[in-house]
Amino acid sequence: GAVVSQHPSRVICKSGTSVKIECRSLDFQATTMFWYRQFPKQSLMLMATSNEGSKATYEQGVEKDKFLINHASLTLSTLTVTSAHPEDSSFYICSASAPSGREETQYFGPGTRLLVL
Amino acid sequence: DAKTTQPPSMDCAEGRAANLPCNHSTISGNEYVYWYRQIHSQGPQYIIHGLKNNETNEMASLIITEDRKSSTLILPHATLRDTAVYYCIVMKAGKSTFGDGTTLTVKP
Repeated sequence: GAVVSQHPSRVICKSGTSVKIECRSLDFQATTMFWYRQFPKQSLMLMATSNEGSKATYEQGVEKDKFLINHASLTLSTLTVTSAHPEDSSFYICSASAPSGREETQYFGPGTRLLVL
Repeated sequence: DAKTTQPPSMDCAEGRAANLPCNHSTISGNEYVYWYRQIHSQGPQYIIHGLKNNETNEMASLIITEDRKSSTLILPHATLRDTAVYYCIVMKAGKSTFGDGTTLTVKP
């Protein structure tokens, strides 16, 4: 099956620093990747859609200058949380679309837990 | 994106079938029904998807009503490891909105 990895799995950083999270599709090429954020006891919230070779599309209310997304290859997308603050502490999950018959199925990474002190 | 409605929680006895319902009355003709589950502190796991026909794989079966306004995910023999939050999503071209899902608790 399609496998998506994320690195790191957990990160603790000081307020004001930047953190980069990598999302890789290991056994398939993904022209589209998605980034989600999940707060405790809440559902996943889509932050942005990342297309290889073009600018990401951000959902309403998500600051594009704070959450920088780069999708430089068909197997790698990165999310950089710039000038992180405690309220950015969350579980960040990426997904990548893989062909599944006539449709494209999203496969999710294991998530990255960010704690900003 | 079409929204989905699921019961917030369900219990199931170990070894019995778990039937998880989902309403998606505003689904459009080209949107697929997807089911994922999320075990605590992990990323969602793909289970199954379908357009209008019933589907079965090694994990579960998906029953979609003829009018496509609702569906049921069936786990034929639930185990304790199937305890998770189950999300029903309607999706086209990858973009979707996650609802609150159903927390399924499988009890011994």
